[in-house]
Amino acid sequence: GESVGLHLPTLSVQEGDNSIINCAYSNSASDYFIWYKQESGKGPQFIIDIRSNMDKRQGQRVTVLLNKTVKHLSLQIAATQPGDSAVYFCAEIFTNDMRFGAGTRLTVKP
Amino acid sequence: NAGVMQNPRHLVRRRGQEARLRCSPMKGHSHVYWYRQLPEEGLKFMVYLQKENIIDESGMPKERFSAEFPKEGPSILRIQQVVRGDSAAYFCASSYRDEGEQFFGPGTRLTVL
Repeated sequence: GESVGLHLPTLSVQEGDNSIINCAYSNSASDYFIWYKQESGKGPQFIIDIRSNMDKRQGQRVTVLLNKTVKHLSLQIAATQPGDSAVYFCAEIFTNDMRFGAGTRLTVKP
Repeated sequence: NAGVMQNPRHLVRRRGQEARLRCSPMKGHSHVYWYRQLPEEGLKFMVYLQKENIIDESGMPKERFSAEFPKEGPSILRIQQVVRGDSAAYFCASSYRDEGEQFFGPGTRLTVL
């Protein structure tokens, strides 16, 4: 269902620690997933993607894990930096249908 | 190569007025998507357009909202007779093909007084 007026989940981490942001998706037929980062006052930026035939994909300092059994996606950020502070949300795609999760606000403490 | 452009960045309207939001996709992109983001919520899909065609408008409110993507010029999201509940950030994204990665614009923040 849709969230109405709920505050975003937040994650607060110390600079240099690793961050793990989780996302539950809804459509078991979704075959492509993207993590986006949205900084205050800006549009979403692509971070990393993964296809459903994979369960792990690594980028620079980021790793995405996909568990299709429980319809769960996670984003791991290594050595979190202050510039990583933003809202992160996942998107699931099935053909032309792209749906976004509500997002998680990551705050990095110096 | 300029990214997705949206204007205005901020728009203030009084209840009952019309709001027009513009989106210029990335060069070479012919697919445009509009999303609405309410405070502290995720992006909600509104409409998907290709040049001169609406492909999917399942997320558009049935009344007062319309979108177009003409052969020449930007895509326009039009909201007639705005109400306070229309206050939100409206983002557009473009892609090269229908299943391609979407690139987002900076958004238009609409405030209805």
